[in-house]
Amino acid sequence: AQSVTQLGSHVSVSEGALVLLRCNYSSSVPPYLFWYVQYPNQGLQLLLKYTSAATLVKGINGFEAEFKKSETSFHLTKPSAHMSDAAEYFCAVSAANQAGTALIFGKGTTLSVSS
Amino acid sequence: DADVTQTPRNRITKTGKRIMLECSQTKGHDRMYWYRQDPGLGLRLIYYSFDVKDINKGEISDGYSVSRQAQAKFSLSLESAIPNQTALYFCATSDPSRASTDTQYFGPGTRLTVL
Repeated sequence: AQSVTQLGSHVSVSEGALVLLRCNYSSSVPPYLFWYVQYPNQGLQLLLKYTSAATLVKGINGFEAEFKKSETSFHLTKPSAHMSDAAEYFCAVSAANQAGTALIFGKGTTLSVSS
Repeated sequence: DADVTQTPRNRITKTGKRIMLECSQTKGHDRMYWYRQDPGLGLRLIYYSFDVKDINKGEISDGYSVSRQAQAKFSLSLESAIPNQTALYFCATSDPSRASTDTQYFGPGTRLTVL
């Protein structure tokens, strides 16, 4: 079975500061990992995904995440926060070798960006 | 036009009423999902469907039913709504040709309030 833990339900940064959103996963099989973003009053949008290729994954809007098997982590980073990055972020996992399994989502981290 | 649409976008209903939430997609995907989002709990899977003849229960299916009328349509019903079903409901789809990556595409959500 898979599970995801997002550390910190709320993260606040200043504009221009580093963004770090933490995600740890548990999976008995090789995982696929995802980060989704939800802007206010909108649905979820895929930021990036890890599917067992390169461990450093680059996504949209300058975000990237690194898969670290030894740490069972998939933390999301962005070097310099923008006001427009304020949103809720969800980490999710699925089983790489089990076609048809649905995504398991973390509880989400709300990112606030101050000027 | 949006690839995944949900109707209604907002609904207020009373305890005991039957209500149906509808999802339509133009992405040509076979797989469709219903999630509910509650503050601090992330997204939880209610039902999912891999094709018109395949319906599966998710983590929290009690109190809900679904109907897959066609490849493009997947409806969620609350037979007798109760207040703790007040939530934001999302429909999602995924591409079977890339099933193992399970990238899901989300609709804009339906905000349901049960009084």
